[in-house]
Amino acid sequence: LAKTTQPISMDSYEGQEVNITCSHNNIATNDYITWYQQFPSQGPRFIIQGYKTKVTNEVASLFIPADRKSSTLSLPRVSLSDTAVYYCLGLTGANNLFFGTGTRLTVIP
Amino acid sequence: NAGVTQTPKFRVLKTGQSMTLLCAQDMNHEYMYWYRQDPGMGLRLIHYSVGEGTTAKGEVPDGYNVSRLKKQNFLLGLESAAPSQTSVYFCASSSPGLAGGSPYEQYFGPGTRLTVT
Repeated sequence: LAKTTQPISMDSYEGQEVNITCSHNNIATNDYITWYQQFPSQGPRFIIQGYKTKVTNEVASLFIPADRKSSTLSLPRVSLSDTAVYYCLGLTGANNLFFGTGTRLTVIP
Repeated sequence: NAGVTQTPKFRVLKTGQSMTLLCAQDMNHEYMYWYRQDPGMGLRLIHYSVGEGTTAKGEVPDGYNVSRLKKQNFLLGLESAAPSQTSVYFCASSSPGLAGGSPYEQYFGPGTRLTVT
């Protein structure tokens, strides 16, 4: 079971880059690291996933060091609409995602 | 595509009553899931299905039953509701078996807010 640990909350000003770090010390060799975003009163939304090094898409970048015991989600130039809870996930057997409590990001004007 | 839809959006039950939550997806996904989310918490998996006619228990299955009679539908039943089942219920689907599909990329519905008094 790839349980994850991440900060409970973070604040950032608009326009800044935000980095959210997650630790997953017991991640399995075959596990991917996955991040989801959840706005209030909505279901979670897949943001990005990766196995090692760096992955980038139109929303975020994901940095994974060689030992894979942690990962960092990077959100460039955040806006007020990026205020949400961000989950770093591990994958258990049979395709079951494990959601922790996530990181509540508040973007300040 | 409507994606994943859930019915109803809100419901209030009295203790001991029963109800069924319906989840439907139009993406031809093989896998479907039911989660619950309590205030300030992450999601916890109740039951899941890897295909029509199959179901399996997740992390918190007690007090719930599920059925997957059709590929596009996944039903969650509460036989005798309890106040501890007050929560927001999310359904999700994924397609790990399809080309380009990932078990990590689940598509979630809008949720059902259930209150048991």
